[in-house]
Amino acid sequence: EDKVVQSPLSLVVHEGDTVTLNCSYEVTNFRSLLWYKQEKKAPTFLFMLTSSGIEKKSGRLSSILDKKELFSILNITATQTGDSAVYLCAVLDDKIIFGKGTRLHILP
Amino acid sequence: GAVVSQHPSWVICKSGTSVKIECRSLDFQATTMFWYRQFPKQSLMLMATSNEGSKATYEQGVEKDKFLINHASLTLSTLTVTSAHPEDSSFYICSAQSIPGLAGGYEQYFGPGTRLTVT
Repeated sequence: EDKVVQSPLSLVVHEGDTVTLNCSYEVTNFRSLLWYKQEKKAPTFLFMLTSSGIEKKSGRLSSILDKKELFSILNITATQTGDSAVYLCAVLDDKIIFGKGTRLHILP
Repeated sequence: GAVVSQHPSWVICKSGTSVKIECRSLDFQATTMFWYRQFPKQSLMLMATSNEGSKATYEQGVEKDKFLINHASLTLSTLTVTSAHPEDSSFYICSAQSIPGLAGGYEQYFGPGTRLTVT
């Protein structure tokens, strides 16, 4: 059965800390892995990863994919309170499969 | 960047009525669109995959006669909740899948969501 597993489910850190969010997957026909940030409304797109070992960066956020070990990580450095959100990982094969998300809370 | 719109943003309807939600890709063509529902503090649950010009593929447990999906063009998909009941109250989100770019990946862009309340 295709599945996407995120860990941890919930994380609370202080502003300025660095966090690493994990996403592992098992799918039949992998096409892409996507990361999203969801606050109060619909998710906003962060990264799309298709190739192993190539880090994608956007400001303090970065992500990398390992297609051999079937996982991806999302790093956030120098966290700010505005980073508080649910971070969703999704894998696209013949359809899209979401993980349950990691709820990140940044304390001021 | 790619923009996906949904209409309406919020709808309240009486039990037994039908509600139509539109999902449009505004500046790109989307051969595939996905429909999700999300309950409070839970992850997105995929309801169905909508391909332009063909019948939607529904996930297990989703009633296709209750949630009618039409993908009539490359920029528009509609979800109709028929004979809505209070338990159908939820946040419905669509996403549109872009055609693969040079990197070969499929990018997903989400609409802002539609909050449905059935009284």
